[in-house]
Amino acid sequence: RKEVEQDPGPFNVPEGATVAFNCTYSNSASQSFFWYRQDCRKEPKLLMSVYSSGNEDGRFTAQLNRASQYISLLIRDSKLSDSATYLCVVNQNRDDKIIFGKGTRLHILP
Amino acid sequence: ETGVTQSPTHLIKTRGQQVTLRCSSQSGHNTVSWYQQALGQGPQFIFQYYREEENGRGNFPPRFSGLQFPNYSSELNVNALELDDSALYLCASSLDGLPDQPQHFGDGTRLSIL
Repeated sequence: RKEVEQDPGPFNVPEGATVAFNCTYSNSASQSFFWYRQDCRKEPKLLMSVYSSGNEDGRFTAQLNRASQYISLLIRDSKLSDSATYLCVVNQNRDDKIIFGKGTRLHILP
Repeated sequence: ETGVTQSPTHLIKTRGQQVTLRCSSQSGHNTVSWYQQALGQGPQFIFQYYREEENGRGNFPPRFSGLQFPNYSSELNVNALELDDSALYLCASSLDGLPDQPQHFGDGTRLSIL
């Protein structure tokens, strides 16, 4: 099992739809979780941290389920500008520290 | 606030050569992490430097080495370059090497090995 696995993409959804991404991780001792977005040929940028109680930032909601070892990202009322690759990131308290998922590409269709 | 800057932006080398990539951390950040991102993949963690010492390392061979300077800037050195080393190399800075601190990335250096 890969250390961090994300939904295979791409997701093609119409503008205004709700999109959900899932990410599973294998190390139960993982400590911190993040979602990043990466536009084509650009650097990853932090979208949001993921807290145990779940957190929301405008149209974006992140959830963490430690028992099942997955995190999720929900995008409501999707915009054309949401088109990007979404990367799940897990920080663990060991030498290989920071693990990125492969990413899920999202295309919002007009 | 000055963001993370990397140099050069693009580089072409041949097999067997050596390369040095440079990174200046965001102002106020004392931790630098380096990543390799191949096309269509997520970034792979190479290593992290905190207070001029290596503070974690991913699954990369010893020919990948690094340094951090007192001003928190950093270098990534790769010896004996191989074709598979062709990738985008990303530097990210953060605070105190703590796992709950998010990474702030530079634009990357695109390295091509011929």
